[in-house]
Amino acid sequence: DADVTQTPRNRITKTGKRIMLECSQTKGHDRMYWYRQDPGLGLRLIYYSFDVKDINKGEISDGYSVSRQAQAKFSLSLESAIPNQTALYFCATSDLNRDTGELFFGEGSRLTVL
Amino acid sequence: GQNIDQPTEMTATEGAIVQINCTYQTSGFNGLFWYQQHAGEAPTFLSYNVLDGLEEKGRFSSFLSRSKGYSYLLLKELQMKDSASYLCAVSNSNYQLIWGAGTKLIIKP
Repeated sequence: DADVTQTPRNRITKTGKRIMLECSQTKGHDRMYWYRQDPGLGLRLIYYSFDVKDINKGEISDGYSVSRQAQAKFSLSLESAIPNQTALYFCATSDLNRDTGELFFGEGSRLTVL
Repeated sequence: GQNIDQPTEMTATEGAIVQINCTYQTSGFNGLFWYQQHAGEAPTFLSYNVLDGLEEKGRFSSFLSRSKGYSYLLLKELQMKDSASYLCAVSNSNYQLIWGAGTKLIIKP
């Protein structure tokens, strides 16, 4: 089983619908992140959380919200999806105590907004 | 602003050597990462450099020059499975990762 699990893996929805992408991890890491990836662009940070009571906006947080329900769970919501939110979304974790700050990624959630 | 530049696409031959360059301009520096990403899959960690010089790990090596804002990833004895995108990322003064758009490496027989 994957250490970082994302659901759903694929989702097609319509403009205006509310969507939630879920992420859970068994690595015991404190830090969790949500990124989106678009063709020709680097990974862009949406939100990140360093512990359950800590939520921070990334570079492209508009139109998104998150919830850190537990150390192991970090959900991303699109309150009213729009077509330019069509992208591949990745959840990632990192270990506070690891010097390199290496990220461990989930398998991705491909979202299409029609 | 902060930016990471790397070539969009490169082509190499199976068994050969390829060097993928990355230049960066960031607010501070706390290390440079290389990740490999196969199409439709998650990025996976390849290397981390925080001091100048060459880090070797099997067929892959990564080099860093902080004064030049430059790194490269060297892949030797290329195999077909090395066909993937290679992502360069820099940890800035706030320990936030700034990502390049990635270099798509195509390996030909």
